Amino acid sequence: EIVLTQSPGTLSLSPGERATLSCRASQTVSSSYLAWYQQKPGQAPRLLIYAASSRAIGIPDRFSGSGSGTDFTLTISRLEPEDFAVYYCQYYVSSLLTFGPGTTVDIK
Amino acid sequence: QVQLQESGPGLVKPSETLSLTCAVSGYSISSDHYWGWIRQTPGKGLEWIGSIYHSASTYYNPSLKSRVTISVDTSKNQFSLNLGSVTAADTAVYYCVADIANCWYYYWGQGTLVTVSS
Repeated sequence: EIVLTQSPGTLSLSPGERATLSCRASQTVSSSYLAWYQQKPGQAPRLLIYAASSRAIGIPDRFSGSGSGTDFTLTISRLEPEDFAVYYCQYYVSSLLTFGPGTTVDIK
Repeated sequence: QVQLQESGPGLVKPSETLSLTCAVSGYSISSDHYWGWIRQTPGKGLEWIGSIYHSASTYYNPSLKSRVTISVDTSKNQFSLNLGSVTAADTAVYYCVADIANCWYYYWGQGTLVTVSS
């Protein structure tokens, strides 16, 4: 079973700063099946990135994904006030989806 | 544009069956989409429960497989989740989800809180 670890647990930044979030898999995985979501309080998660680096429909280009093997990164180039939220990575293999524990991006 | 709306009891007694329905609008449930369920708890985070494709092919999380059934009602354009023998550990916000692939989900319902308690 693949386990996803996200770091840091909390990232405290100011609007306009760059955010770099990490997702590490317990074994080598295919980047084709790695996704990222954003969740705000009281809302359902929203798909941001799929296949490690492709932006979902309607997602601003300040969000970007990269990585391969066991290490993946979600980057927010310049934080907007609406970007402060929890971010989850997710992986799919053998008809099973698993999520990481999440990284909270809060206002410094 | 697919829209999803969960409905069902907000309170279920231990050992009983949790039953939720997801109404689909803007798209035919008979189309080439996967329709699924995900739940979220403060302790375990986001957990994929399972999904169904073309009303027949089902995929379940091995950790829940013995207790889960997902089915489709094409006449009502909706799909359902049944989770049997529930305990307090099944207390969660339940989301219905959908996508053309089963690898991630673009469409999410708003979520519904189900509490398991006597």
